[in-house]
Amino acid sequence: QSVLTQPPSASGTPGQRVTISCSGSSSNIGSNTVNWYQQLPGTAPKLLIYSNNQRPSGVPDRFSGSKSGTSASLAISGLQSEDEADYYCAAWDDSLNGRSWVFGGGTKLTVL
Amino acid sequence: QMQLVQSGAEVKKTGSSVKVSCKASGYTFTYRYLHWVRQAPGQALEWMGWITPFNGNTNYAQKFQDRVTITRDRSMSTAYMELSSLRSEDTAMYYCAGAFDIWGQGTMVTVSS
Repeated sequence: QSVLTQPPSASGTPGQRVTISCSGSSSNIGSNTVNWYQQLPGTAPKLLIYSNNQRPSGVPDRFSGSKSGTSASLAISGLQSEDEADYYCAAWDDSLNGRSWVFGGGTKLTVL
Repeated sequence: QMQLVQSGAEVKKTGSSVKVSCKASGYTFTYRYLHWVRQAPGQALEWMGWITPFNGNTNYAQKFQDRVTITRDRSMSTAYMELSSLRSEDTAMYYCAGAFDIWGQGTMVTVSS
């Protein structure tokens, strides 16, 4: 059971816009920034979005992030076949049980 | 280019320990927190802890507090993650990640009796 909640799957057709949600609490998303990672099959994760909505160099502007309260979202516009991957959100958690980075359960994106 | 290169796959017996290395190149090793993240087969990412390469300070996830030790050798630009008292549930791919924007290729650790 992951601390951050993501839908297990999402899908879209080429060219469409898809969004992936990430729900947390006041101890993580509510008080800290959110990162998003893309994991292509059989590879290491790659940082896609940091600090809620910032893209590292080289990440296409088709990818965007947002945060509101205790939830965050990743949007992918102009969907392409190479976007088929697992996507994870993450945030620092300041809970009384211990401070740590926490991840979502991941969302498998299928391009139909 | 900036990269992290990890040691090779390991097969371990239940109850033993494993030590995985992560060598940095292409950037100043002391400038980025070095995290360890694991992923069991078909499962989500799970943060284990970090080390500050500059001074060796560590912070571990509560789940692994009593079994994991993260160290570093500044002269070798290398970090290490040792996990003890291995059990079958520790079978996973183990990744190091520099400030989460540079990732190693992963090290598969298989634990069996």
